[in-house]
Amino acid sequence: GAVVSQHPSWVICKSGTSVKIECRSLDFQATTMFWYRQFPKQSLMLMATSNEGSKATYEQGVEKDKFLINHASLTLSTLTVTSAHPEDSSFYICSAKDSLSSYNSPLHFGNGTRLTVT
Amino acid sequence: SQKIEQNSEALNIQEGKTATLTCNYTNYSPAYLQWYRQDPGRGPVFLLLIRENEKEKRKERLKVTFDTTLKQSLFHITASQPADSATYLCALDDSWGKLQFGAGTQVVVTP
Repeated sequence: GAVVSQHPSWVICKSGTSVKIECRSLDFQATTMFWYRQFPKQSLMLMATSNEGSKATYEQGVEKDKFLINHASLTLSTLTVTSAHPEDSSFYICSAKDSLSSYNSPLHFGNGTRLTVT
Repeated sequence: SQKIEQNSEALNIQEGKTATLTCNYTNYSPAYLQWYRQDPGRGPVFLLLIRENEKEKRKERLKVTFDTTLKQSLFHITASQPADSATYLCALDDSWGKLQFGAGTQVVVTP
């Protein structure tokens, strides 16, 4: 149980284009999902908290107009990297917490999306 | 500033031995701490959770300790196997209830 599906697993795009990444909880409902970014041999950096039916909460230093988050249902959150540039190349990972779980319950992660901007 | 520190050097260990990983934190007062495993190109997978009032937690060959005085957690893999080779991340909750991660320690178990 507790499977999070993230799609695509990798994407190559040209500079200036936009890329959408989907994150789905397959067998549970997730009021809250989280988007992380990870550089090689570095920790997961929380970018934003995605809340179903309301606006996402972005961490300090993360441009909300560049990283658009939509959480339209209890099982789907999307991250759109707009006007992508080479410095946006990274590993993006989503996670979700079961809506029925307690505050300290573990996060369930997708398998990440490797974004390369050329 | 707040920091979560894990040994950045890979831990090379022989099969059958015990691997011990350290997670130290500064300027956090976590109510709990979690450990995850991450394989290359994959998302982290939850392993264990330990609360601030717990000293030790076990799950099969894994053991976690939590010392809030030392601000440290130790993660042990006993009778290690090549399949245990991965990067292990510690994570703790910050003042706003968000999970913050260390950079992880890579474990390499050789036959």
